[in-house]
Amino acid sequence: QVELVESGGDVVQPGGSLRLSCSASGYRFSCCGMHWIRQAPGKGLEWVAVIWHDGSLTYHADSVKGRFTISRDDSKNTLYLQMNSLRVEDTAVYYCARDIGVVSPDLDLWGRGTLVTVSS
Amino acid sequence: DVVLTQSPLSLPVTLGQPASISCKSSQGLMYSDGDTYLYWFQQRPGQSPRRLIYKVSNRDSGVPDRFSGSGSGTDFTLKISRVEADDIGVYYCMQGPQWPPITFGQGTRLEIK
Repeated sequence: QVELVESGGDVVQPGGSLRLSCSASGYRFSCCGMHWIRQAPGKGLEWVAVIWHDGSLTYHADSVKGRFTISRDDSKNTLYLQMNSLRVEDTAVYYCARDIGVVSPDLDLWGRGTLVTVSS
Repeated sequence: DVVLTQSPLSLPVTLGQPASISCKSSQGLMYSDGDTYLYWFQQRPGQSPRRLIYKVSNRDSGVPDRFSGSGSGTDFTLKISRVEADDIGVYYCMQGPQWPPITFGQGTRLEIK
């Protein structure tokens, strides 16, 4: 079936690094842009980053710019988020989402999320 | 950045009664193609968000017709005609055309009285 499955979440110390993965199945992964969205404990949704369907363009939220990098490997049907210089405030569940939009983001499919905890 | 303001933030409702959530945008959400890109998501407890409504008023597959979206310009509304227990959770609006960044409303928590 069509689904996204995130992995890689862990407990990490401030200043540490982590790489999240999002494995896609049931559809042609290269069709679509992909996003990372996060949700701090008990809080709302915060957009983190996007990568174009062909990997040609990426954008990152100001809160993570210069520390996080989104990438994709279409041969593995996998989306990544490299997270460096982690801060306590990066603690959140990280979701990947498929974007089927043409002129505007349209997040029609979400994974179940992976928890990142940044704590000393 | 576009700011989406939802109200109320908490919505206690009796089963079988209607519910309404407002989402007001700091900028218009109509794109040059004439469509308005405002979305609604439902997040049930312990689950990931699920798209309910796209482009203001189009229900996703499998979404009961008890859910309806409306609005234009900067003012949008999600209505549930008769709330059921399965509807408990947090509802978010999201805007598309003025990005990056994508922005979400703060969320409205629907609970049963």
